[in-house]
Amino acid sequence: QLVQSGAEVKKPGESLKISCKSSGYSFTNFWIGWVRQKPGKGLEWMGIIHPGDTDTRYSPSFQGQVTISADKSISSAYLQWSSLKASDTAMYYCARKPPHYYYDSNGNPRDAYDIWGQGTMVTVSS
Amino acid sequence: DIQMTQSPSSVSASVGDRVAITCRASQDIGGWLAWYQQKPGKAPRLLIYAASSLQSGVPSRFSGSGSGTDFTLTISSLQPEDFATYYCQQANTFPHTFGGGTQVEIK
Repeated sequence: QLVQSGAEVKKPGESLKISCKSSGYSFTNFWIGWVRQKPGKGLEWMGIIHPGDTDTRYSPSFQGQVTISADKSISSAYLQWSSLKASDTAMYYCARKPPHYYYDSNGNPRDAYDIWGQGTMVTVSS
Repeated sequence: DIQMTQSPSSVSASVGDRVAITCRASQDIGGWLAWYQQKPGKAPRLLIYAASSLQSGVPSRFSGSGSGTDFTLTISSLQPEDFATYYCQQANTFPHTFGGGTQVEIK
């Protein structure tokens, strides 16, 4: 499972790091992605990290706005901001993704986000 | 980025109805498509991966089809617990973009 850190209330310009702790599987064999959902809106893919080799990819929309990292010693992934804006107010989800070569018994690639954290609500307001 | 376009954006249906939601990719993504269900206040739940493979534990009334650029999620007989928002997502190329969502409402 994936367990995320609790809700945060911050002021514009403050920094923040939220976490996603995994258990029950080999943390270094699966990707962890981050997804944003603004209130009443759809899902936005932010980026992803492979904890085994720290390969990290970002959506162009979020590149330079956030940093994704992982600590395999404690099976945790992180999403951080150096300077929050009011527009960062949203629910943030982490989710696990198997690697491309992970197949089911029928030979189909299980390349989708199969386990999700409960979400971390971040509110940025002055 | 690959753009994912879902239609309709909302649908009103009754229990027992057959509901189909479509998703179109802006370029060929092969079979690298997933469908998720999200209920209010909850995290998304994986329903379908590889365009047509049912995730473990998901009822068989859910099915997926398609390849290339055009995909469909079908609910064969809508149940009360199926009223939710559904999203498609491509996993062919980073960034793994989502469709805009389809809200399935009670008629």
